[in-house]
Amino acid sequence: ELKVEQNPLFLSMQEGKNYTIYCNYSTTSDRLYWYRQDPGKSLESLFVLLSNGAVKQEGRLMASLDTKARLSTLHITAAVHDLSATYFCAVAPLGGGADGLTFGKGTHLIIQP
Amino acid sequence: EADIYQTPRYLVIGTGKKITLECSQTMGHDKMYWYQQDPGMELHLIHYSYGVNSTEKGDLSSESTVSRIRTEHFPLTLESARPSHTSQYLCASSEYRIAMGETQYFGPGTRLLVL
Repeated sequence: ELKVEQNPLFLSMQEGKNYTIYCNYSTTSDRLYWYRQDPGKSLESLFVLLSNGAVKQEGRLMASLDTKARLSTLHITAAVHDLSATYFCAVAPLGGGADGLTFGKGTHLIIQP
Repeated sequence: EADIYQTPRYLVIGTGKKITLECSQTMGHDKMYWYQQDPGMELHLIHYSYGVNSTEKGDLSSESTVSRIRTEHFPLTLESARPSHTSQYLCASSEYRIAMGETQYFGPGTRLLVL
């Protein structure tokens, strides 16, 4: 059974600081996703990571994937208040195609001015 | 970018009522999904479909049922709503893109409250 663990689950940080969210998963996978969710809203796709060593960046967010360690990180650089949201990582089973994703519990991020 | 629509967005209903949550997408995606999400918690897959006339149960057991008669439409039905069904229900569809793999696009969700 595929399990996905995120940490921390809650994070309060100040603007301008850097921080990293971690996502560990239990079985081999070839696809990892990061999503953002604002309160009461749906999920917005941020990154899709497909291979070992993949790194993607968008603005102040950078995601990386280490398939050997079964670990992905989402790094926030010089945080701004607008990045406050819940961030989910989600993993697809190896070769699973369209069988749906397994989500972590999410990291609730609050960025204080 | 996929367009996924869900109605209603909010629903308050009494115990024992039958409800149908609608989901439609206009991008012609074959694969569609329903997830259940309690407030502040992770999403759990409850149903998915590979295409017309295909429906499968997901990882989380659910008393709901789904149907897929048309590609663009994937409704979810609860025959007799109970307070334990109170949750947010998110519909998604996916497509395969070269260099991105299978990418899921989510609808806005339906927030259900059963009294």
